[in-house]
Amino acid sequence: AQSVTQLDSQVPVFEEAPVELRCNYSSSVSVYLFWYVQYPNQGLQLLLKYLSGSTLVESINGFEAEFNKSQTSFHLRKPSVHISDTAEYFCAVSAMNTGNQFYFGTGTSLTVIP
Amino acid sequence: NAGVTQTPKFRILKIGQSMTLQCTQDMNHNYMYWYRQDPGMGLKLIYYSVGAGITDKGEVPNGYNVSRSTTEDFPLRLELAAPSQTSVYFCASSLDRSQQYFGPGTRLTVT
Repeated sequence: AQSVTQLDSQVPVFEEAPVELRCNYSSSVSVYLFWYVQYPNQGLQLLLKYLSGSTLVESINGFEAEFNKSQTSFHLRKPSVHISDTAEYFCAVSAMNTGNQFYFGTGTSLTVIP
Repeated sequence: NAGVTQTPKFRILKIGQSMTLQCTQDMNHNYMYWYRQDPGMGLKLIYYSVGAGITDKGEVPNGYNVSRSTTEDFPLRLELAAPSQTSVYFCASSLDRSQQYFGPGTRLTVT
């Protein structure tokens, strides 16, 4: 089975400051990587994903993540956060040898402080 | 497209009662999943299905049952509800392993 580690359970950051949410995964085979966002009392929405090609992927609201195969990481970054970015963020992975199963990290709660 | 829909949104059960959480998707996806989400624990896979008539256990299947008689529907059955089943339940579907689509969730309390 795959595993996904999100080391930071809570990240407080001031508005307009940069933020990085860390994600590491364990897999020796080709993977797809995802970041999902969950706003309070809502379901999970796809923020961005890496399938192939460029290792840097971007979302429409200014987040980006970089796939680093050698470090098995897929960290999420934003150069300047807004109050509206306050949410729970989940990293997930699907791998070639696990069928269509997806494995999730335990989540990082991002709180943007005015 | 409505995407993935779940009913009910909220439910309170007494210990020992049973209920069915409904999940429907209109994207013609073969793959469907049930997760539970507990604070600080992320999402745990309960059951999944690779197509109508085919289901398999995930990480935490005890106390739950599923069926998949059609492509669209994937109900989750709780028999003899226990306080440990208090959680938020999410249904998801996918065409392949490139993306999952989630429903809005069902918040269940067992008292």
